[in-house]
Amino acid sequence: GENVEQHPSTLSVQEGDSAVIKCTYSDSASNYFPWYKQELGKGPQLIIDIRSNVGEKKDQRIAVTLNKTAKHFSLHITETQPEDSAVYFCAAILGGTSYGKLTFGQGTILTVHP
Amino acid sequence: SQTIHQWPATLVQPVGSPLSLECTVEGTSNPNLYWYRQAAGRGLQLLFYSVGIGQISSEVPQNLSASRPQDRQFILSSKKLLLSDSGFYLCAWSGGGKQPQHFGDGTRLSIL
Repeated sequence: GENVEQHPSTLSVQEGDSAVIKCTYSDSASNYFPWYKQELGKGPQLIIDIRSNVGEKKDQRIAVTLNKTAKHFSLHITETQPEDSAVYFCAAILGGTSYGKLTFGQGTILTVHP
Repeated sequence: SQTIHQWPATLVQPVGSPLSLECTVEGTSNPNLYWYRQAAGRGLQLLFYSVGIGQISSEVPQNLSASRPQDRQFILSSKKLLLSDSGFYLCAWSGGGKQPQHFGDGTRLSIL
């Protein structure tokens, strides 16, 4: 079936370094790609999203890039801080649904060491 | 602004007991509503979604059911809980089919 693959499953960086998480999807009709940050014991929080009519979107230290031809999208966090440590999920709304079914990646545990 | 509330935050129930988890949304009307389950802190699985009062669609066969008695209220229920129903249950809302989904802080359910 249609799915979203996310890599890496864990990522450890030093404070100030950049972090990149990549996701690939299988449904070429997918056109909405959100990223969520989940802290321990909390629900996922939307941090940035991108639609298929743009290739890149930035919000301060975070950015998302989309390559529709290759069917992958990536989250970039620059100047990482310890408070960026969390689990990050990518997701995609598959093209065939009208009610907004999100298919999630399996998550990346990001640890930022001070 | 819109807010979403889930309760209780944690729940411990014996096998075979009933379940009722509640989710309410404020600050918006006619939202799409969703119930997800998350196992072991990774991967969210969509259980139910609703596009209007009384309209419920199930994504996976299971021991659970959902209801939407009011526009901004979404309830997850079971008549008899199984051990396999343990997990972290999340409610979410969106403004439409391909709009961002916003999650509540979840209910951690443990079945003994």
